[in-house]
Amino acid sequence: AQKITQTQPGMFVQEKEAVTLDCTYDTSDPSYGLFWYKQPSSGEMIFLIYQGSYDQQNATEGRYSLNFQKARKSANLVISASQLGDSAMYFCAMTPNRDDKIIFGKGTRLHILP
Amino acid sequence: EADIYQTPRYLVIGTGKKITLECSQTMGHDKMYWYQQDPGMELHLIHYSYGVNSTEKGDLSSESTVSRIRTEHFPLTLESARPSHTSQYLCASSQYRDGLNYGYTFGSGTRLTVV
Repeated sequence: AQKITQTQPGMFVQEKEAVTLDCTYDTSDPSYGLFWYKQPSSGEMIFLIYQGSYDQQNATEGRYSLNFQKARKSANLVISASQLGDSAMYFCAMTPNRDDKIIFGKGTRLHILP
Repeated sequence: EADIYQTPRYLVIGTGKKITLECSQTMGHDKMYWYQQDPGMELHLIHYSYGVNSTEKGDLSSESTVSRIRTEHFPLTLESARPSHTSQYLCASSQYRDGLNYGYTFGSGTRLTVV
């Protein structure tokens, strides 16, 4: 069975500091995709970053990077130089490539302090 | 720029009313989904579709129904709204192609309140 675990229900971080949001996953499929989404208080889901299981390098998108450790089944999101606008709920997600449906974790609520 | 649109953005309605939440996408995606999410909580898949005239129930049982008469349109209907239906409803379409899953594009959501 596929499973996503986010162990941090909430985090408080000072503005301009780097943030790491933890995510571990469980799958027996050799080919899969990993995702992070941001959900601000307005409710929409914003795609942040994608990592394929066969990608050799960690994915990066601007201030976002995904620390992919395949052997540990870990896919942590790193936000560099945090900003007040980063305050939101963050969801880690994955799917085996043989399937279309994405499995979401329970989320981490990030608060950036001025 | 959003390529998947949900209306209304907010809806407050009385118990017993029939409602339809609209979802349209302009990307030509075959696969579409409806998720239900209580504030600050996890997402639950309630319906999905793999194309025209294809609809399936998701992991979370829901009293809502869906239809897919056109590829771009995937509306969700509640025949008789109840306070327990109060939630956010998120529509998404999938970029699944060539055996690889590149994730979902989400609409902005509909926040439903039944009073």
